[in-house]
Amino acid sequence: NAGVTQTPKFRVLKTGQSMTLLCAQDMNHEYMYWYRQDPGMGLRLIHYSVGEGTTAKGEVPDGYNVSRLKKQNFLLGLESAAPSQTSVYFCASSYNHERGATDTQYFGPGTRLTVL
Amino acid sequence: KQEVTQIPAALSVPEGENLVLNCSFTDSAIYNLQWFRQDPGKGLTSLLLIQSSQREQTSGRLNASLDKSSGRSTLYIAASQPGDSATYLCAVKSPPSNTGKLIFGQGTTLQVKP
Repeated sequence: NAGVTQTPKFRVLKTGQSMTLLCAQDMNHEYMYWYRQDPGMGLRLIHYSVGEGTTAKGEVPDGYNVSRLKKQNFLLGLESAAPSQTSVYFCASSYNHERGATDTQYFGPGTRLTVL
Repeated sequence: KQEVTQIPAALSVPEGENLVLNCSFTDSAIYNLQWFRQDPGKGLTSLLLIQSSQREQTSGRLNASLDKSSGRSTLYIAASQPGDSATYLCAVKSPPSNTGKLIFGQGTTLQVKP
């Protein structure tokens, strides 16, 4: 199993450009998440999905959109990139909530995004 | 609103020392608490998960404890090694459970010197 993979690993954008980050998991997990990690801020949840075709806002959703058309994929889009979106982005997945007390999240390797 | 704090932000110890990392949370209504390890430029790897009904979990040289009533957890690392150098993050899962969301602390960066 590859686990959770993210594409691309690095990207540099100019302000106003758009891009899509792809997350894929092969563990048949129901839940998927997008986080951003900034120095001194820990990981903050951007958007998440509890199943195919569903998405919901997390702690810091502004400026991002997501889609979950297939169970194994979770896409994060930036329509008009801003320097404040310079960050490291992590995708994660987990089993469903019926195992709420025991399920852990599995993380991808991250995408380092710089917006100039 | 649940908040998670980790102190200290950074820690440097000589090889072989036993050490404790601290994590505190403001709302005791949690489903579980997890400790993760993050190596530089890498993603997070789950180390230990403690359910709210449990007091501790052990894996090799790692032992994590949970005191819900006081809102505290500790990660004990025995006989530290240079390979333990990494950032350690704790995260709590709070109601509602149908979101699976985790609230993370800022992490403690550990350096173990040979």
